[in-house]
Amino acid sequence: DAMVIQNPRYQVTQFGKPVTLSCSQTLNHNVMYWYQQKSSQAPKLLFHYYDKDFNNEADTPDNFQSRRPNTSFCFLDIRSPGLGDAAMYLCATSRYTGSGVNEQFFGPGTRLTVL
Amino acid sequence: AQSVAQPEDQVNVAEGNPLTVKCTYSVSGNPYLFWYVQYPNRGLQFLLKYITGDNLVKGSYGFEAEFNKSQTSFHLKKPSALVSDSALYFCAVRGLGGYNKLIFGAGTRLAVHP
Repeated sequence: DAMVIQNPRYQVTQFGKPVTLSCSQTLNHNVMYWYQQKSSQAPKLLFHYYDKDFNNEADTPDNFQSRRPNTSFCFLDIRSPGLGDAAMYLCATSRYTGSGVNEQFFGPGTRLTVL
Repeated sequence: AQSVAQPEDQVNVAEGNPLTVKCTYSVSGNPYLFWYVQYPNRGLQFLLKYITGDNLVKGSYGFEAEFNKSQTSFHLKKPSALVSDSALYFCAVRGLGGYNKLIFGAGTRLAVHP
């Protein structure tokens, strides 16, 4: 089945130690998104890629970076995790055509714990 | 600016009874509206969307939503609730700019009691 895969599902890191979360997709969608979700709150969009075009949200801290080396993969790098960065990180994909309105497909998420 | 509001933090319903999860929206231009469900420690699952056309939209798992332009609402409904419907429900609207960006409501927790 076509899907969005996130690894690992659970990640523990230490305060200030860089961490990378990964996302891959078999849907061949041209848009990939990263969200942060805390304690059953609404997901907060950090940034998204349309192909290689990177779109950052204005309030996303510089501590968060992303890479999309190819269509299938996207990475979220947290350069110096703080305790406030502990959250569920969700990856999603979508097909953008310029004319239609398409839904996003979400991965299962990575729960990040910062010690 | 695009936004959605979910006025209820939690909705409680007995199994077998109809359920409604409320959502109101505020948009510039055409409203493109979505419902997603989230089970514990899982990602969001798409239920349905309204783009244009029929005001009653049918989606996955027996859910449907009614678009009401005059009341700027997009309430999620199901005729007969199941215990397995217990989850967190998010209403969303497509954002301006970007590529299929979504702006989510705060979420409503649905609890279906046996």
